[in-house]
Amino acid sequence: GIQVEQSPPDLILQEGANSTLRCNFSDSVNNLQWFHQNPWGQLINLFYIPSGTKQNGRLSATTVATERYSLLYISSSQTTDSGVYFCAVRIGFQKLVFGTGTRLLVSP
Amino acid sequence: ETGVTQTPRHLVMGMTNKKSLKCEQHLGHNAMYWYKQSAKKPLELMFVYSLEERVENNSVPSRFSPECPNSSHLFLHLHTLQPEDSALYLCASSPDAPGQVYEQYFGPGTRLTVT
Repeated sequence: GIQVEQSPPDLILQEGANSTLRCNFSDSVNNLQWFHQNPWGQLINLFYIPSGTKQNGRLSATTVATERYSLLYISSSQTTDSGVYFCAVRIGFQKLVFGTGTRLLVSP
Repeated sequence: ETGVTQTPRHLVMGMTNKKSLKCEQHLGHNAMYWYKQSAKKPLELMFVYSLEERVENNSVPSRFSPECPNSSHLFLHLHTLQPEDSALYLCASSPDAPGQVYEQYFGPGTRLTVT
């Protein structure tokens, strides 16, 4: 089956720093979503981005489907950005396959 | 209520108990999903329902029994669970029609502990 790998697995930042999270996938996909899982377990939608670039405030994402990767940029990080970031790719009928996640800790 | 809601948020049950998890979506979607998130493992898809018909069952043990009475509600009935079934159970919904964006939205989850 498809493999979805995220890097780095863990990331510690000082508040105000910028970071780039990467998602690699091993096969063609129909779409890609980025999520932020907060400490209480809630998965929050960040981007629906099968291709191209999108921006939402301090966050932006780029997917290059032909090269099978997506990047999530976080600028001017805040402590509330802490949590786990997942990418998930859709294959077949409505099936999302989640990546391994990047655990982010932003310290004040 | 907006979005996707789940009840209860926390559940502790013995191995001989029977309990049910409930999910409700207020987004007008017609596909609903159950996922399981265990410690140190990626989210795993358990069941998919589209227009109240089950379309995917990812080799889930029969002690987990889903029910989708209408496009807004999804249940997961639990019986004779094992301690390794302790996990966060997440419900999601999405549109499911040609031309729509198949973006999934998740509920807050039910944290289940089996003793």
